[in-house]
Order: sequence, then structure tokens, then C-alpha cells
Amino acid sequence: DGGITQSPKYLFRKEGQNVTLSCEQNLNHDAMYWYRQDPGQGLRLIYYSQIVNDFQKGDIAEGYSVSREKKESFPLTVTSAQKNPTAFYLCASIPPIGASTGELFFGEGSRLTVL
Amino acid sequence: AQTVTQSQPEMSVQEAETVTLSCTYDTSESNYYLFWYKQPPSRQMILVIRQEAYKQQNATENRFSVNFQKAAKSFSLKISDSQLGDTAMYFCAFMTLTKSSGDKLTFGTGTRLAVRP
Repeated sequence: DGGITQSPKYLFRKEGQNVTLSCEQNLNHDAMYWYRQDPGQGLRLIYYSQIVNDFQKGDIAEGYSVSREKKESFPLTVTSAQKNPTAFYLCASIPPIGASTGELFFGEGSRLTVL
Repeated sequence: AQTVTQSQPEMSVQEAETVTLSCTYDTSESNYYLFWYKQPPSRQMILVIRQEAYKQQNATENRFSVNFQKAAKSFSLKISDSQLGDTAMYFCAFMTLTKSSGDKLTFGTGTRLAVRP
């Protein structure tokens, strides 16, 4: 079945370590997104990519990095520069313009805890 | 920049009753989409309902309907005949489909709804 797969579902990290969250989709969607979810703050956009080899910063990009080498994959690296990385991270994608109703398709999320 | 405001952090409703969740937004765009997403305890985001700004008719999906007031920039969600499975966090969201906005979805802070048996 088509969908978005995020891994790992749970991740623990020591302070000062970088960690990469995986996001893979087989929906043939062009645009992909990373959101961070914290209690009481809703979902905030970290990075997004509308096409392979191109991506833009969202509202809270500091301390994060991404790559988009393949259409299917949009990994997020949480670097040691991120001051408060403990959060729930959601990856999403959207169909191509013309086929889109604006609805985002979400993965199941990754919970990162810094020890 | 677009903003979405949900002024009710938590709400509670008796099973089979009706509840309305509020959402207001701010934008200078004229063409956009509005959404309500549901996030149950599993944390999987599920689309509940969608409204195109150019449509005057309010969207309806079974027990879920919206009251879209474009001039007031208001987009409330009404849940009729509430069921225990409706217990979840509900997010209002906004998206423009223009090159300048980059097709970004902006979310509100969410309303946690509890349905009481």
C-alpha cells in the first residue's frame, strides 16, 4: 500500500549527538515536509522540499538539516546545535499541483528523547 | 505571514451531544484551503474535513460540518452525535496554493476534545 514511512518510531539520544530521522514515501509526491510537535504549540514547520535537490527553511529550522537526493526520501538530521530537541516529529507529503486538494499525507511520527 | 488561532485548549462533551471547536485565521490571500485534522492517541494525523475558500457552501462530512465565515476569517468545526472515538486533539490548518507561499500548511495550537460516556 502507498504511504509515508517514518523510522525509527522512538529514538533516544545523548546530548551533543546528531541523529537522523528517516522519511520515505511511495506516493510519487513532489513536496515533502517536516513538522515538530510540542505540547501546547501545535505543529511547527522545520523544513520543506518541493522538488528533488531543493529545500527551504520553515519557521524553526535552526539546529536541523535536511537533504532531498531522491523523490521518495527526505531525511531530517537533528544536530547538536538544536537546543531543545526532545519532541515528536512528523513527516508529510502532498500530491503534485493539479492533483492536489491541499491535503497533507502524514507518517506515523518519530518520538525523539534527549537524555 | 499566515496565522491560525485556536482559543480553546481543551473541551469536553457528553456522548451523543454536539460540540463546536473554534478557529480563526489571518491572511492577505484570497484563495486558500482550510482544514481540520484529528490526532487520536495513536498520534496519526487524520484529515477530518476540508474547505476551499472560494466555495460559499460549508463543507460537510457525515457528523462533521464547518461554519466558514470568510469575511470574519472564522472556520469552526461542529461535531454532531459525538462518539467516544472522537476523543482526540483537533488541529485547524490553513494552506495557500501559490508559489510565494510554497504550499505550506500552517497549524493552530490544537484543541483537546474529550468525549464523556
